[in-house]
Amino acid sequence: DIVMTQSPDSLAVSLGERATINCKSSQSLFYNSNNKNYLAWYQQRPGQPPKLLIYWASTRESGVPDRFSGSGSGTDFTLTINSLQAEDVALYYCQQYFSTPGSFGQGTKLEI
Amino acid sequence: QVQLQESGPGLVKPSETLSLICTVSGAPISSYCWSWIRQSAGKRLEWIGRICRGDSPNRNPSLESRVSLSLDTSKNQFSLKLTSVTTADTAVYHCAREVAGPGGWFDRWGQGTLVTVSS
Repeated sequence: DIVMTQSPDSLAVSLGERATINCKSSQSLFYNSNNKNYLAWYQQRPGQPPKLLIYWASTRESGVPDRFSGSGSGTDFTLTINSLQAEDVALYYCQQYFSTPGSFGQGTKLEI
Repeated sequence: QVQLQESGPGLVKPSETLSLICTVSGAPISSYCWSWIRQSAGKRLEWIGRICRGDSPNRNPSLESRVSLSLDTSKNQFSLKLTSVTTADTAVYHCAREVAGPGGWFDRWGQGTLVTVSS
């Protein structure tokens, strides 16, 4: 099984600043035949289910603000949140869907 | 607007069977794959399994022998049964729609239902 590891476990960022969350997979998530990385990012606000932010490592889901961006390839990925807003306080998860069983990182808690 | 809603008992005794149903509205259940994902108190997310119309269900190998999944297209529902539960199965259970699946991301989630395993 592919193991997903996020860092840091938690971070505090000031309003208006940038937050960066990292995700590392135990094996490459890049599929040569379609040049895609099989990685998604989710946001989970308190009391809510996870919400899809990004898939294919860098494609924003419809309706997600453009201050959320994903980058990386292979085994190392980053979620960047620019101009942090109070509503961004949440847990953030990465998920690989390169192979079954799909697996998630342990989560990163973002605070103001 | 696609919505998913989990239902089932919130308390299950050890060694018994956990049974949950996910009711889907706004999308035909026959057109997608559907998964169950649970979240422990420590917040770790664990994929349990998926079912797609016309395919055999896939299960997480760590739970495979205890999990059964089914689809009811007439009611637009899918269900999960987890047998021989222990306290380690206490978690919030979410149902979710899987896109680009099988083996994709989850674009719609149910609110989740807390299932506690206790005597």
